[in-house]
Amino acid sequence: AQSVTQLGSHVSVSEGALVLLRCNYSSSVPPYLFWYVQYPNQGLQLLLKYTSAATLVKGINDFEAEFKKSETSFHLTKPSAHMSDAAEYFCAVSDAGANNLFFGTGTRLTVIP
Amino acid sequence: NAGVTQTPKFQVLKTGQSMTLQCAQDMNHEYMSWYRQDPGMGLRLIHYSVGAGITDQGEVPNGYNVSRSTTEDFPLRLLSAAPSQTSVYFCAAGEEGYNSPLHFGNGTRLTVT
Repeated sequence: AQSVTQLGSHVSVSEGALVLLRCNYSSSVPPYLFWYVQYPNQGLQLLLKYTSAATLVKGINDFEAEFKKSETSFHLTKPSAHMSDAAEYFCAVSDAGANNLFFGTGTRLTVIP
Repeated sequence: NAGVTQTPKFQVLKTGQSMTLQCAQDMNHEYMSWYRQDPGMGLRLIHYSVGAGITDQGEVPNGYNVSRSTTEDFPLRLLSAAPSQTSVYFCAAGEEGYNSPLHFGNGTRLTVT
């Protein structure tokens, strides 16, 4: 069965600093992986997705993630944090053959001015 | 283009009461699903549908019913609310295919006292 683990429920960075949010997956088949962002009192929005076309995936707002099969990881990064990046971030893996997503427990990002 | 619309935004129920959470989408997507979000647990799949007339259970289906009579609508019914169903509920819709992203509504915050 597919699952993801997000390390760190809370991450704080200074404005302008590197953002690194960690996600490790467990899958018996090649996974389809996603990162979503949730701003306060809103639904989830897609940041980026991995679909095996390229290991480095670029998303919206300068976020990117690298798929590393040897480490079973799909960490999310951004070179320079903005105040507007403060939100909760979820890593998810899709169920083989269906749209169902299995989410990690989320990482709340705080950006310190 | 509204995307996925959920009503109501907030609801308070007493234990044992019933209610229906409404979800409508205007994207003509075949796949729709319901998730609940609880602190520290991420999002968990309740029920999903791959088209009108077709529904199936997710990870946490107990206490919830669904039906899909049209492509546009996917209501979630609580027949006898319990305090354990206090949560934020999200409806999502997407194109068929396990690498297709989901589009989420803004959620319904439900409190059962």
